[in-house]
Amino acid sequence: AQSVSQHNHHVILSEAASLELGCNYSYGGTVNLFWYVQYPGQHLQLLLKYFSGDPLVKGIKGFEAEFIKSKFSFNLRKPSVQWSDTAEYFCAAKLDSGYALNFGKGTSLLVTP
Amino acid sequence: EAGVAQSPRYKIIEKRQSVAFWCNPISGHATLYWYQQILGQGPKLLIQFQNNGVVDDSQLPKDRFSAERLKGVDSTLKIQPAKLEDSAVYLCASSLALADTQYFGPGTRLTVL
Repeated sequence: AQSVSQHNHHVILSEAASLELGCNYSYGGTVNLFWYVQYPGQHLQLLLKYFSGDPLVKGIKGFEAEFIKSKFSFNLRKPSVQWSDTAEYFCAAKLDSGYALNFGKGTSLLVTP
Repeated sequence: EAGVAQSPRYKIIEKRQSVAFWCNPISGHATLYWYQQILGQGPKLLIQFQNNGVVDDSQLPKDRFSAERLKGVDSTLKIQPAKLEDSAVYLCASSLALADTQYFGPGTRLTVL
């Protein structure tokens, strides 16, 4: 069955620390990959997406993600986090030929001053 | 550009009662989605419309849940009768077309007592 798994459910970092959130998917075929973020009290927003081309994708607010096909991974990174990055982060995937978006369980990130 | 609108934002009901949620997608978006997000999990697709037709409702519990998008714009999701396990946030999303990026509304938080 198609699924998305996120390794870390809760992450606590100090400001200026580097961030890497893991995401793996189990899909046969070409996939489209997404990272969404939900800031406290706000709705889900798209951080970045990968459809094809350069496997290193840059998104908003300094985030980037790398698609590694051989590892079925799409990890999210940021070199230096800020307190304002405190949020819930969701990885999602869908088949390139399909429409249904499958989400991981999410990772809660707390950035301390 | 106005985002996806949802109402109400919060709803508390007792089990066996009925409840309805409303969604207005981004103007011009043909595809509309309803998701259920249970605490601690990622959103799960319930139903997907393309204009006023259903594309995928395979995960909609049809014995109690129903949804419609009669004029291809607004949509309502109904639960009748509600169960305790229906307590969740119900998210509406829209996209320009079937395979495009989805944009989410703020959600309706349902508590069933």
